[in-house]
Amino acid sequence: DIQMTQSPSTLSASVGDRVTITCRATESVGNWLAWYQQKPGKAPKLLIYEASSLHSGVSPKFSGSGSGTEFTLTISGLQPDDFATYYCQQYKSYSRFTFGPGTKVDIK
Amino acid sequence: QVQLVQSGPEVKKPGASVKVSCKTSGYSFKNYGITWVRQAPGQGLEWMGWVSAYNGYTNFAQKILGRVTMTTDTSTSTAYMELRSLRSDDTAVYFCARDLDSTPLYGDYFGGASDYWGQGTLVTVSS
Repeated sequence: DIQMTQSPSTLSASVGDRVTITCRATESVGNWLAWYQQKPGKAPKLLIYEASSLHSGVSPKFSGSGSGTEFTLTISGLQPDDFATYYCQQYKSYSRFTFGPGTKVDIK
Repeated sequence: QVQLVQSGPEVKKPGASVKVSCKTSGYSFKNYGITWVRQAPGQGLEWMGWVSAYNGYTNFAQKILGRVTMTTDTSTSTAYMELRSLRSDDTAVYFCARDLDSTPLYGDYFGGASDYWGQGTLVTVSS
């Protein structure tokens, strides 16, 4: 199975900061990569699909890039509502899909 | 509006089975697959598998292969996930989620990103 890693595992930031989370796959997943935001006790929320496409209704402060095995999620102008855990997920065809371990963004 | 409403919490003994339902509304059920994801207490998301509401095709995580069944009932727009031979490490919140993209009429398709999610169902396995 394709394994996903994320770095950092925890990220401490301040309101207004621009932060970047990296996600790596053990083999190429093309552009089949999604990013989700999850808050405690809630279901995940889709932010980005196909590596860089912004899901409908999601703030453009979120952006995704990358392809193959390395991807990034950038959040511009952090607001209190953005402090959460972020997960990447690969969904390459003919594979078993997998999530990264998550990156917790907390307040510095 | 699209909604996925899951069944209530379950407490099971080791070795038992659990069946979680996910009743959907607000869209054409047969046109979208359903993914199941679980999250153990304090842990990350774990993809369990996917089922097509169009043709019943499935794709399961290796870890639970042989213990899981995922089905759909198009008459009630409901998806089901059954997990057998439960162990303590199956204790988790189980989520269902709808595919972002509709299932293509032709060609192979085994799921993708998920846009709408259920509220989660806590399954506790304890003796």
